[in-house]
Amino acid sequence: GQSLEQPSEVTAVEGAIVQINCTYQTSGFYGLSWYQQHDGGAPTFLSYNALDGLEETGRFSSFLSRSDSYGYLLLQELQMKDSASYFCASRKEDSNYQLIWGAGTKLIIKP
Amino acid sequence: DSGVTQTPKHLITATGQRVTLRCSPRSGDLSVYWYQQSLDQGLQFLIQYYNGEERAKGNILERFSAQQFPDLHSELNLSSLELGDSALYFCASSVGPSPDEQYFGPGTRLTVT
Repeated sequence: GQSLEQPSEVTAVEGAIVQINCTYQTSGFYGLSWYQQHDGGAPTFLSYNALDGLEETGRFSSFLSRSDSYGYLLLQELQMKDSASYFCASRKEDSNYQLIWGAGTKLIIKP
Repeated sequence: DSGVTQTPKHLITATGQRVTLRCSPRSGDLSVYWYQQSLDQGLQFLIQYYNGEERAKGNILERFSAQQFPDLHSELNLSSLELGDSALYFCASSVGPSPDEQYFGPGTRLTVT
């Protein structure tokens, strides 16, 4: 069946770089989306990769490799405000209108 | 601020009751999505509407229903409420029918007592 796997928790130090991985199993793959959610807050769209390669948006970058069924979110120059949960998501196999979500990765940043 | 609005922000009600949650999408967005998120859980997709038509349905209970109106705002109706329905309910919107880039409202926190 379709699935997206991500680590449940990642810990990093303020100012460092961290990579959050997402591996997927799906047919009819369109692309990979990333969202950030702070505790008690709403998810915020970060990026969408339809093609292989790296997309950079400020301190955040997202990478996709279709041949490896794998993507990652790269956060640079970590700030305390980056402490949040990060979700990868992809379209459901039999639907163009619905996302399937990973379980989320809780990013803990230490000073 | 995503531009998506949801009302009310908080709702406390008793078991067996019925509530209506309201969502206005971003200006220009034609799709609306509804999600449920229980404490420390992931996002559970409920339903999607595109320009007034239902396009996708998730594991939405029969006690729940939704609709999108001609002005594109949407309402989620929850009836015969149970304690387990207590959760954050998010509405999101996107420009077209593709779900890849969604913008979320602040959510409605529903507490059923």
